[in-house]
Amino acid sequence: DAKTTQPPSMDCAEGRAANLPCNHSTISGNEYVYWYRQIHSQGPQYIIHGLKNNETNEMASLIITEDRKSSTLILPHATLRDTAVYYCIVRVDTGRRALTFGSGTRLQVQP
Amino acid sequence: NAGVMQNPRHLVRRRGQEARLRCSPMKGHSHVYWYRQLPEEGLKFMVYLQKENIIDESGMPKERFSAEFPKEGPSILRIQQVVRGDSAAYFCASSPPDNTEAFFGQGTRLTVV
Repeated sequence: DAKTTQPPSMDCAEGRAANLPCNHSTISGNEYVYWYRQIHSQGPQYIIHGLKNNETNEMASLIITEDRKSSTLILPHATLRDTAVYYCIVRVDTGRRALTFGSGTRLQVQP
Repeated sequence: NAGVMQNPRHLVRRRGQEARLRCSPMKGHSHVYWYRQLPEEGLKFMVYLQKENIIDESGMPKERFSAEFPKEGPSILRIQQVVRGDSAAYFCASSPPDNTEAFFGQGTRLTVV
C-alpha cells in the first residue's frame, strides 16, 4: 500500500471548515483513499473513502486531485466534538489487506 | 444492527496470567482485524482473520500471542503469560465480505500489574 504524509497537527475555529490535507504521491491506480478518526482513546471511526471521484456523506467531503497524488478531507462546520486524530490511509480494496495507520493529523477545534 | 462489540472493556491481569479478549463482529461481517495501541502511540496492526482462517498475522508477536475466529462465536485474541509491556488498548474491527470499510469496536484496555 502507498505511503501517506499528513501534517502532525492543525487548529480550526469552531463553526469554520476544517481542511485536512494528505499526500499520497505513490498511490497506484487500484488503491483507495480512506479517512478515519480517533476521538481521545475511543475506537477509530470510519469517515469516508474514495477512488478518484470526490465523495460526500453526512460527515465530510473528500476531494481527490485529478492526478490522485493528494486529497483533502473537509469537515464543513467543525465542532468541538470533531477534535480528534485524523488518519488518511491508502489501501487496495481487493485482496487481503488490512488498514495501516500512520501518525495522522491531530485536529484541535478551538471555541 | 449492533456495532462491533468487544469485551471486556477493561481487563486487569497480574504478570504471568493469561488474557483473553473477545470481539463480536457486526452482523454479516466475515473479516476481523486486531490492532494494538500502546499509550500515546499509534494503532499497530496485529492480525487479520476470516472465519476459521488467519489471513495475515504479520503484526503479531511470535510468542505468547494467538488469535482465532471460529465458525461460531466471537473472535478471540489470547495473550499468554502477560508482561507489563502488554498493557495497551486492543481494538477489533470488522468488515463485510467485500472487504470495504472496516468498523471498530471501543476496545479492551488491558492493564498488567
